[in-house]
Amino acid sequence: AAGVIQSPRHLIKEKRETATLKCYPIPRHDTVYWYQQGPGQDPQFLISFYEKMQSDKGSIPDRFSAQQFSDYHSELNMSSLELGDSALYFCASSPGTTNTGELFFGEGSRLTVL
Amino acid sequence: AQKITQTQPGMFVQEKEAVTLDCTYDTSDQSYGLFWYKQPSSGEMIFLIYQGSYDEQNATEGRYSLNFQKARKSANLVISASQLGDSAMYFCAMREKLYGGATNKLIFGTGTLLAVQP
Repeated sequence: AAGVIQSPRHLIKEKRETATLKCYPIPRHDTVYWYQQGPGQDPQFLISFYEKMQSDKGSIPDRFSAQQFSDYHSELNMSSLELGDSALYFCASSPGTTNTGELFFGEGSRLTVL
Repeated sequence: AQKITQTQPGMFVQEKEAVTLDCTYDTSDQSYGLFWYKQPSSGEMIFLIYQGSYDEQNATEGRYSLNFQKARKSANLVISASQLGDSAMYFCAMREKLYGGATNKLIFGTGTLLAVQP
């Protein structure tokens, strides 16, 4: 079965550079979530989209932005990167109209800022 | 505000024994879902088991079962017959306002690192 696809899997950037992470949800899933997991930390919610509109916002820095496109894939744009942005970034998807609530996670994109 | 608490930073268990990972939660909502995810050292987040707040029976999935005590607001994960491959970080998580097509986020606890010893 198709899963959530994230790219790139690994990314190395320097301070003050920009980075873009992409997420392709499971087909027919209309909701996408972004999480940031620092080393030894639990995943922190950044932002979510439902039907291409932002549905919720968490601890996402102003330097970050995201959007969901017409094909439901999503991109997380990170600018003016800082050392503290080094983390594993997860994308998850779910069908918006479900009563079970499981989020399906991608394998994550590991960002290292030098 | 919703909150998940996992009080065990790390645990050891002998292979083939059962282990219980604790999770308590706090919410003022009546409809919510509780989840357990496994994160091995490779980093991916693997869904294990789900319990809805209105489910009367405890969820089970193979060797995983969820001991749901609603009045105590606890949702402990029980792993039976531990295997070496069970060594990983385990996260308890919750979603509020689950029913009716909600798209609310998942909130995670701080995790428990489980080490299975041969």
